[in-house]
Amino acid sequence: QKEVEQNSGPLSVPEGAIASLNCTYSDRVSQSFFWYRQYSGKSPELIMSIYSNGDKEDGRFTAQLNKASQYVSLLIRDSQPSDSATYLCAVLKGGNLIFGKGTKLSVKP
Amino acid sequence: SAVISQKPSRDICQRGTSLTIQCQVDSQVTMMFWYRQQPGQSLTLIATANQGSEATYESGFVIDKFPISRPNLTFSTLTVSNMSPEDSSIYLCSALGGGRARETQYFGPGTRLLVL
Repeated sequence: QKEVEQNSGPLSVPEGAIASLNCTYSDRVSQSFFWYRQYSGKSPELIMSIYSNGDKEDGRFTAQLNKASQYVSLLIRDSQPSDSATYLCAVLKGGNLIFGKGTKLSVKP
Repeated sequence: SAVISQKPSRDICQRGTSLTIQCQVDSQVTMMFWYRQQPGQSLTLIATANQGSEATYESGFVIDKFPISRPNLTFSTLTVSNMSPEDSSIYLCSALGGGRARETQYFGPGTRLLVL
């Protein structure tokens, strides 16, 4: 089992819809989780970090963490075409980040 | 957040040559990292750049191929040695933020390398 797994997509949603991105991780002792957004040809940009079970909201973004089930998700409300990018899930392990392969999101106008 | 700059932003190199990539952070950080991202792939950690000591390399990466320096808390270099076309990739510098963002990892803009 890979340490951090994501569905590679592409995930296509219409403008205004909710985009749901999921990630599972294998190391049960992981405590810190991150979502990065990467536009084509650009470097990853941090969107959200989450450390506790439950939801964490920031604008149109909500990160959800369930440590018992070892998954973390990112919801994007009112999706916009500008949200079209690859979203990378990352888990902090041993002082550095382990990345998933990313989910490509496409928001159609 | 930490602001990270890299240079060069891109380069085209000949097989067998070496390229050194520089990374500068605008504040002192405890940890700096070098990643590689090949086309269509996720990020792969090459090594952790340790200040004042040898870098810590991940499996599959060796010092002879990717020598790293970190002379102080704000600067690091990665050299890609004896390049081959398989080294064509984006190389990203990253730093672990300080203060309240101590566990937040930020990325530089990357260096696009094409080896002919």
